[in-house]
Amino acid sequence: GAVVSQHPSRVICKSGTSVKIECRSLDFQATTMFWYRQFPKQSLMLMATSNEGSKATYEQGVEKDKFLINHASLTLSTLTVTSAHPEDSSFYICSARDGARGELFFGEGSRLTVL
Amino acid sequence: GNSVTQMEGPVTLSEEAFLTINCTYTATGYPSLFWYVQYPGEGLQLLLKATKADDKGSNKGFEATYRKETTSFHLEKGSVQVSDSAVYFCAGGSARQLTFGSGTQLTVLP
Repeated sequence: GAVVSQHPSRVICKSGTSVKIECRSLDFQATTMFWYRQFPKQSLMLMATSNEGSKATYEQGVEKDKFLINHASLTLSTLTVTSAHPEDSSFYICSARDGARGELFFGEGSRLTVL
Repeated sequence: GNSVTQMEGPVTLSEEAFLTINCTYTATGYPSLFWYVQYPGEGLQLLLKATKADDKGSNKGFEATYRKETTSFHLEKGSVQVSDSAVYFCAGGSARQLTFGSGTQLTVLP
């Protein structure tokens, strides 16, 4: 079964509103989680690295004020898309690193549609 | 930096055909290599991996061998099924950070 869960799997919102996406590690503690964005028929683009208890590290070109990341506990990271616009519509995927197993597990993804 | 180059798709095969999806990497050192599969509407799932040269990863009939001399990690399956239709991503790096290829769409026709 899934070891990393994302919620919601699909969300539709109006332009200008904010949307929060949750990423949970279900059976392990994750000090580090990653957020990706996937454009249609393209690969995953790493947006940011989320570190428990500290600020996220954003990749070049990703607006940190636009994509707020909070990693408040060892099992939960959240991505908030603030003041969403249609160009923010995308598939967002998180992953969490299980240090004990040395593996990266991915969530099911969240499809955001901004009208 | 690291880069992963993957055969572009889409690839369309008949059921029971042989599959090869090419993947080559450029990296400093010898990264771990992975193949991920993404079924329609879902996230990524790890299909197989190899952590050092000459390692062979295998799962669900898929195989890939870590070739240091050719810096390659080609995905193969001897007989594909309709249920294998998905997007396949090659990736290299570590659990801390992975570099993904662009993905290859595979469609298997009955």
